Amino acid sequence: DIQMTQSPSSLSASLGDRVTITCRASQDIGNYLTWFQQKPGKSPRRMIYGATNLEDGVPSRFSGSRSGSDYSLTISSLESEDVADYHCLQSIQYPYTFGAGTKLELK
Amino acid sequence: EVQLVESGGGLVQPGRSLKLSCLASGFTFSNYGMNWIRQAPGKGLEWVASISSSSSYIYYADTVKGRFTISRDNAKNTLYLQMTSLRSEDTALYYCARHLYRGNVMDAWGQGASVTVSS
Repeated sequence: DIQMTQSPSSLSASLGDRVTITCRASQDIGNYLTWFQQKPGKSPRRMIYGATNLEDGVPSRFSGSRSGSDYSLTISSLESEDVADYHCLQSIQYPYTFGAGTKLELK
Repeated sequence: EVQLVESGGGLVQPGRSLKLSCLASGFTFSNYGMNWIRQAPGKGLEWVASISSSSSYIYYADTVKGRFTISRDNAKNTLYLQMTSLRSEDTALYYCARHLYRGNVMDAWGQGASVTVSS
């Protein structure tokens, strides 16, 4: 099975900060990487798919990138509404596997 | 508007069975593969099972293989998850989510159905 190692597990940042969350894949997953945002008590929301494609309606301050087996979700300027848990998912092969998640909080 | 609405959750004793449903609307259900994903209290997301649009391909996580069965009825726009031999570790919020192909997955989710396995 493909392991997705997500870091950090938690992150405290200030409004306006640039924030980066990373997932490292244990095997080649190409660009089959999706990022989700989950606010407390809500269902996950897809933010990025295909490693770099922004979902319709997602603010442009969110972006996805890839460097080798490392995949990153970046928020260019943190806003209060971005406080949430973030999850990555690989979908190149079954079993699909999620990262352990990152809790993003305001400092 | 795309909608996925789960139902059928509840409190069940260990070893018993439960069947979840996910009613889809606002899109052509028969064109999409579907997934079940669960989230134990305070934990991350865990993929549980997937089924292709015509039910030709079905996949399960090892943690549920042999105990859970995913199925769908395209005429009723409904996805199912039959859960048997339930264990305490199956306690979670169960979400259904659709996908078009492996590069375009889980773009829409339901609100979740809560399953608690306890005596």
